Amino acid sequence: GAGVSQSPSNKVTEKGKDVELRCDPISGHTALYWYRQSLGQGLEFLIYFQGNSAPDKSGLPSDRFSAERTGGSVSTLTIQRTQQEDSAVYLCASSSMGLGTYEQYFGPGTRLTVT
Amino acid sequence: DQQVKQNSPSLSVQEGRISILNCDYTNSMFDYFLWYKKYPAEGPTFLISISSIKDKNEDGRFTVFLNKSAKHLSLHIVPSQPGDSAVYFCAASAGGGNMLTFGGGTRLMVKP
Repeated sequence: GAGVSQSPSNKVTEKGKDVELRCDPISGHTALYWYRQSLGQGLEFLIYFQGNSAPDKSGLPSDRFSAERTGGSVSTLTIQRTQQEDSAVYLCASSSMGLGTYEQYFGPGTRLTVT
Repeated sequence: DQQVKQNSPSLSVQEGRISILNCDYTNSMFDYFLWYKKYPAEGPTFLISISSIKDKNEDGRFTVFLNKSAKHLSLHIVPSQPGDSAVYFCAASAGGGNMLTFGGGTRLMVKP
C-alpha cells in the first residue's frame, strides 16, 4: 500500500538490550515524526525530521534514544540499554511540506515490551 | 506542562445520540487544530481540522467548533454510531508549522 509502514509490529526484548524500530514513510513526504504512546497516555513527541535539515530531537527522553533518516526516506529509531519504562507503542508519521498541510499520516505502530 | 488537554478520559453515548468531545489548550500561538481517531492496534487517522480564522467546520456527521477566547474546541458527532467507538485525540499546530501537539485522548464508546 501507499501508507506509512512500520516494522516490526511487535517486539519483546530483555531489559538492557538494544532495539531498532523501522519506519517507511509515504513516498514524497519530506517530514517524518516519531511518537510514543505509553499505556493509557497520549501521544508523546520524540523526534522530527524535515528534509535535509538537522532533526528536532527535543522530545527524546534520554540519550539512550536516537534516530536517523537515511536518504530522506526510511527512518530508524534506536533505543539502547532498554528499560521497562520504555515499553510503549512507538508510532511514526509523515507529512508533506506544502503550505497549510498540517495533516500527519500515521503508521500502525510498533508495540515494544521490555521484560 | 500540557499545552493541549482532554479532560475527559472516556465518554459513553447511546447510538443515535450526539457525542461531544472537548479539548482545551493554553498556547495562544496555536492557529490550527485537528482531530484524530484511533482504533486499537492501528495508528491514528485524521478526522477533521479547523483553522483559527474559523469557528466551525463541518464534514458529514462531524463538526468541530473553536472558541478562541476560551481556548477551547469541541468535536460533535451526530448521530453517533457504534463504529465511532475509538480513542479521539485533538492536536494543535502553531505558526504554519507541521509540528503537532497532542492531547491525551478521550475514549468514546457508542452503545447500540
